[in-house]
Amino acid sequence: AQSVTQLGSHVSVSEGALVLLRCNYSSSVPPYLFWYVQYPNQGLQLLLKYTSAATLVKGINGFEAEFKKSETSFHLTKPSAHMSDAAEYFCAVSDPGNDMRFGAGTRLTVKP
Amino acid sequence: EAQVTQNPRYLITVTGKKLTVTCSQNMNHEYMSWYRQDPGLGLRQIYYSMNVEVTDKGDVPEGYKVSRKEKRNFPLILESPSPNQTSLYFCASSLLVGNQPQHFGDGTRLSIL
Repeated sequence: AQSVTQLGSHVSVSEGALVLLRCNYSSSVPPYLFWYVQYPNQGLQLLLKYTSAATLVKGINGFEAEFKKSETSFHLTKPSAHMSDAAEYFCAVSDPGNDMRFGAGTRLTVKP
Repeated sequence: EAQVTQNPRYLITVTGKKLTVTCSQNMNHEYMSWYRQDPGLGLRQIYYSMNVEVTDKGDVPEGYKVSRKEKRNFPLILESPSPNQTSLYFCASSLLVGNQPQHFGDGTRLSIL
């Protein structure tokens, strides 16, 4: 069965610093991987997705993620954090014909 | 505008009083799903539907019912709500299941007293 582990329920960075949110997955077949962002009082919005094309995936708002099969990881990064990046981030995994499974989420705080 | 619409956005009610949360999508998506979000637990799937008249249990279906009579609508029904169903609920849809991203509604915050 597929599953996702997000390391760190809370991450705090200073404005302008690197953002790194960690995600490891488990899947018995090549997975599809997603990162979603949730701003307060809103639903989840798709940041980026990996569907077996390029291993480095670029998303919206300057975020990107790299699929590393050997490490079963799909970490989310952004070179320079903005105050507007403060939100909760969810990693999700699915495979063909199966439902999406979400991680527990990581709350990102950006300090001025 | 492509969207998933949930109603109501907020509801406070009492134990045992039946309620329905509606969900509608305008993207002609085959797949629809309900999740509940609780602190530290992420999103857990309640029920999903691959197509009209086809529904299946997710990870936490107890105490919930759904129906899919039309492609665009997927209501969530709590026949006899209890306080442990106090949560934030999301409806989502996608073109197909698996490799397609899901589109989410804005959520419904339910408080069962």
